Amino acid sequence: GDSVTQMEGPVTLSEEAFLTINCTYTATGYPSLFWYVQYPGEGLQLLLKATKADDKGSNKGFEATYRKETTSFHLEKGSVQVSDSAVYFCALSDRNYGGSQGNLIFGKGTKLSVKP
Amino acid sequence: DAGITQSPRYKITETGRQVTLMCHQTWSHSYMFWYRQDLGHGLRLIYYSAAADITDKGEVPDGYVVSRSKTENFPLTLESATRSQTSVYFCASSDHGQFSYEQYFGPGTRLTVT
Repeated sequence: GDSVTQMEGPVTLSEEAFLTINCTYTATGYPSLFWYVQYPGEGLQLLLKATKADDKGSNKGFEATYRKETTSFHLEKGSVQVSDSAVYFCALSDRNYGGSQGNLIFGKGTKLSVKP
Repeated sequence: DAGITQSPRYKITETGRQVTLMCHQTWSHSYMFWYRQDLGHGLRLIYYSAAADITDKGEVPDGYVVSRSKTENFPLTLESATRSQTSVYFCASSDHGQFSYEQYFGPGTRLTVT
């Protein structure tokens, strides 16, 4: 079945460092891809998304490009801030027809800590 | 308030008791979901609903019951709570319009079963 694999955390960076969180997926069909962020004590928030190959999602300085040839959707940010400390989840949508169409499949999450 | 809300935010219950977690959304989204979040497992889908009176099992449905008599509400019931059901529970909704499958999450309910 469809699955998402993302790098294990935790990831600890200094402020203004470059961030990459790797995400690869296995899917039949053509899923949409998402990055969600979870701040301490809160629910998940959509950070960015891409719906087809070569699309780049971007938001708040974060970017990710939908790479069909490598089945990847790596999250990047050029200069992280302390306020970016959170858990980041990669996810794909099930676009197969049927009752589960549109259900999201999540990776296990990567905890990011940014030190001043 | 607009959005998706969950209640209670925190709950402590004893093994064997029945407990219901509430979820309410104001967007009239057709789809609603219940997840549990546990260390090492990420988010796992318990049940989902495509519309009022239509529900289906997710990855880990055992020990849980759902209903959806109204579009805006999607309660999750633990019929006889067990310690393994100690977790953080998230409700989410989605409108699935034009293949836009992004989900919107509530703030979560932290449930402890003693």
